[in-house]
Amino acid sequence: AQSVTQLGSHVSVSEGALVLLRCNYSSSVPPYLFWYVQYPNQGLQLLLKYTSAATLVKGINGFEAEFKKSETSFHLTKPSAHMSDAAEYFCAVSDRRNEKLTFGTGTRLTIIP
Amino acid sequence: DAGVIQSPRHEVTEMGQEVTLRCKLISGHNSLFWYRQTMMRGLELLIYFNNNVPIDDSGMPEDRFSAKMPNASFSTLKIQPSEPRDSAVYFCASSLGLAPTDTQYFGPGTRLTVL
Repeated sequence: AQSVTQLGSHVSVSEGALVLLRCNYSSSVPPYLFWYVQYPNQGLQLLLKYTSAATLVKGINGFEAEFKKSETSFHLTKPSAHMSDAAEYFCAVSDRRNEKLTFGTGTRLTIIP
Repeated sequence: DAGVIQSPRHEVTEMGQEVTLRCKLISGHNSLFWYRQTMMRGLELLIYFNNNVPIDDSGMPEDRFSAKMPNASFSTLKIQPSEPRDSAVYFCASSLGLAPTDTQYFGPGTRLTVL
C-alpha cells in the first residue's frame, strides 16, 4: 500500500520568500505523485503531477516539484510567495495500477505581509 | 464548462434523518469519485464509479451509506440514518477515465452537519 507524509501541518512564509512544502512517499512500486491546492470553502485543484517523465515538474501559479527517488520525496516549491498562495496544500500518491489517490494530511500555508 | 456541480452546498439535519448529496459530472467524463474530509481523518475516498458501475466501495464506512449513478452524468450519495459522526465535507470529483494519470476535478463540496 502506498502513503504520503506531509511534514508540517502549518507553514508560514513572508510575502516574496521561498515556499517549501514537504512530502515524502512510501510505495512498493514506482508511484505517480500529485500536489493539490484547496482554497477556503472550495474543492481541491490540481497544481501538478509526476507521471515518470521529467523529475522536475512545473505546475500552475509558479509552483514546481521535484521527484527524488533516493529520498522518496516530492517537495513543492515556489520561489516567491504571493498573498494569493494562502491555502491548504495536499500531496497525493497513486500506485499506477489504478486511479485511487491516497492523500496526505495537508499543509496549511499562511503568507505574512 | 461549469465544472463539477454539487448540491446542496450546506446541509444541516438532525440525527436519524436521511441525507442525499448530489453531484453532476463534467460533460464527457466517465469516472466519478466520492470523498469525505474531516479534521480527524483528512480526505478519504469512499467509492468510485466508471461508466456508471461501482468499481470500489471499500471506503464506504457503513451500510448506512449508499451511492448510485442513475445516469452517466449524475450521482447521489445517501446516508440513512444520519449520525453526528457523519458531519464532514463531502466532495465528488470526476475524471475522463480510470487511467492513473487522468486528473480528478473536484466539486466545491457539501458541508454536512448532523445535530
